Amino acid sequence: TQLLEQSPQFLSIQEGENLTVYCNSSSVFSSLQWYRQEPGEGPVLLVTVVTGGEVKKLKRLTFQFGDARKDSSLHITAAQPGDTGLYLCAGAAFYDMRFGAGTRLTVKP
Amino acid sequence: NAGVTQTPKFQVLKTGQSMTLQCAQDMNHEYMSWYRQDPGMGLRLIHYSVGAGITDQGEVPNGYNVSRSTTEDFPLRLLSAAPSQTSVYFCASSGTRGEKLFFGSGTQLSVL
Repeated sequence: TQLLEQSPQFLSIQEGENLTVYCNSSSVFSSLQWYRQEPGEGPVLLVTVVTGGEVKKLKRLTFQFGDARKDSSLHITAAQPGDTGLYLCAGAAFYDMRFGAGTRLTVKP
Repeated sequence: NAGVTQTPKFQVLKTGQSMTLQCAQDMNHEYMSWYRQDPGMGLRLIHYSVGAGITDQGEVPNGYNVSRSTTEDFPLRLLSAAPSQTSVYFCASSGTRGEKLFFGSGTQLSVL
């Protein structure tokens, strides 16, 4: 059982569409991070959210941390082919970072 | 800056063989960790270190050993490879635990 559940597991959309992916847990996290991973590479940090209810924007990407600090969402506006990749959420718990299984996003031109 | 460097990039082993995956970082980070990534399971922590001379087990430590003799290096040893250890392995580092993780580019390991 994953500590962090991500949904959907796969998402294939057309360029220009909007999308939201989710990261949910029954545990409370002191912070939550979102990473993006491309084939053959390690994950790269996109954002860290720390405060419950926090919203952060990174160009066309909007990240939200739930009020109870148990869940988070990533919304992409007007997706582009360059957004294609595996999106991973990770929560700081106990002694380490725990990762979800990821959402694999494909944006078709 | 090189960041986190992992070698080798690819490796094929036979069951029962041993090997060491190398990881080095040049950012003077105290925290280093090893993850394995399997389809549908995300990244799972194998071992981690909060500084030279200090290591501890993560979520899936069985079959792996680590040591941290210097701040820069954190090798992962497979003692007797098993097919269940076929995976992609990532080394990561951060200034302190819970901060932004910097990942290497991974080692794809196949155990036949």
